Amino acid sequence: NAGVTQTPKFQVLKTGQSMTLQCAQDMNHEYMSWYRQDPGMGLRLIHYSVGAGITDQGEVPNGYNVSRSTTEDFPLRLLSAAPSQTSVYFCASSPRDISYEQYFGPGTRLTVT
Amino acid sequence: DQQVKQNSPSLSVQEGRISILNCDYTNSMFDYFLWYKKYPAEGPTFLISISSIKDKNEDGRFTVFLNKSAKHLSLHIVPSQPGDSAVYFCAASAWDRDDKIIFGKGTRLHILP
Repeated sequence: NAGVTQTPKFQVLKTGQSMTLQCAQDMNHEYMSWYRQDPGMGLRLIHYSVGAGITDQGEVPNGYNVSRSTTEDFPLRLLSAAPSQTSVYFCASSPRDISYEQYFGPGTRLTVT
Repeated sequence: DQQVKQNSPSLSVQEGRISILNCDYTNSMFDYFLWYKKYPAEGPTFLISISSIKDKNEDGRFTVFLNKSAKHLSLHIVPSQPGDSAVYFCAASAWDRDDKIIFGKGTRLHILP
């Protein structure tokens, strides 16, 4: 039982490049979310999903796309990376009946130059 | 506008004493309040929650108090131990509405020997 896994752990991108951050969970959780953590800003919700085929925007969705084709996977796509997207990204999942009790992955540290 | 506020960026407490972390919120629709703990280079982990219909919830050394009229909650850790040194995030959710979890900026707790 791996819980929530994220790949890669570290990534450096040039401005304008695109990439996908991967997130997978093996707990059959309905809810999945993406957060970014910046110094002094706490955790800010980017996008979330309450089940396969359903996604919604969080607090800071601009510049990011998501899709949820399976229960297990919730990839986050950066369409055209900008230095402002330099951050640590966390994926989380939770069961429907206690959706506030989230399980977080170890994070992806992204630097955009 | 910040819906969940943690006004103390850091707090230092002597080992064995009580640690009190505070949190204020502005959205009266929040009905679940949460505390998460985060160590460096790891994802946050769920610590304790409280429903808006309660004013206290206890789990071992951790107790959360909710004052709805003041829109204030606090986390008490008694007694404080070295392993409690971490960043603590307060979070809130309007669980019956949109399931989004909004986090505060965090408070870094240092337990002094």
